[in-house]
Amino acid sequence: DAGVIQSPRHEVTEMGQEVTLRCKPISGHNSLFWYRQTMMRGLELLIYFNNNVPIDDSGMPEDRFSAKMPNASFSTLKIQPSEPRDSAVYFCASSLARLAGGPLPDNEQFFGPGTRLTVL
Amino acid sequence: KNEVEQSPQNLTAQEGEFITINCSYSVGISALHWLQQHPGGGIVSLFMLSSGKKKHGRLIATINIQEKHSSLHITASHPRDSAVYICAVRGGGGTDKLIFGTGTRLQVFP
Repeated sequence: DAGVIQSPRHEVTEMGQEVTLRCKPISGHNSLFWYRQTMMRGLELLIYFNNNVPIDDSGMPEDRFSAKMPNASFSTLKIQPSEPRDSAVYFCASSLARLAGGPLPDNEQFFGPGTRLTVL
Repeated sequence: KNEVEQSPQNLTAQEGEFITINCSYSVGISALHWLQQHPGGGIVSLFMLSSGKKKHGRLIATINIQEKHSSLHITASHPRDSAVYICAVRGGGGTDKLIFGTGTRLQVFP
């Protein structure tokens, strides 16, 4: 398996522009996580999905951020309009979460390589 | 006060030294993760544990649930162990949400 795939790896944009980050989780995983990493705040969870359904979006900073997971193999994180303070590395991760009535898996999260976003 | 505290923040060692990184947390958890982030930025999961001790090669992770404390040990450290080590906890109640510590930057010199 290729692991978690993120695109683009680097994105430089101007303030006010729309930014879309993409993630393909590991095949068979049913949970997907979006994280943001900055020098000031470290790693923070933005939102996570279980079976394509958003479960916890309490970390999404504001209405400018939105995330979708239309199917089990694809997710997007969109920022519109972007601002300089959104500059960060955005990581996507996936894991195999416990299914109802099923055995408890490791829940180990596998991280993608990240997208480094710079908003000028 | 952060819910997950790591110490030290920075650590310098000579090759071959025994390294210990500590993590304390203040919330109830279902599991604790240790992650490694290399200078290139990639994040790798090292351990996930909910009790006792796990060992993988030269790495050992322990957790004391009663004391809400975990340690990551590296035996016979090597320059390639230089990285940021991050502790993260998963809360109880069935959530998959991770709360992260601020990380420990380790540099091992030859």
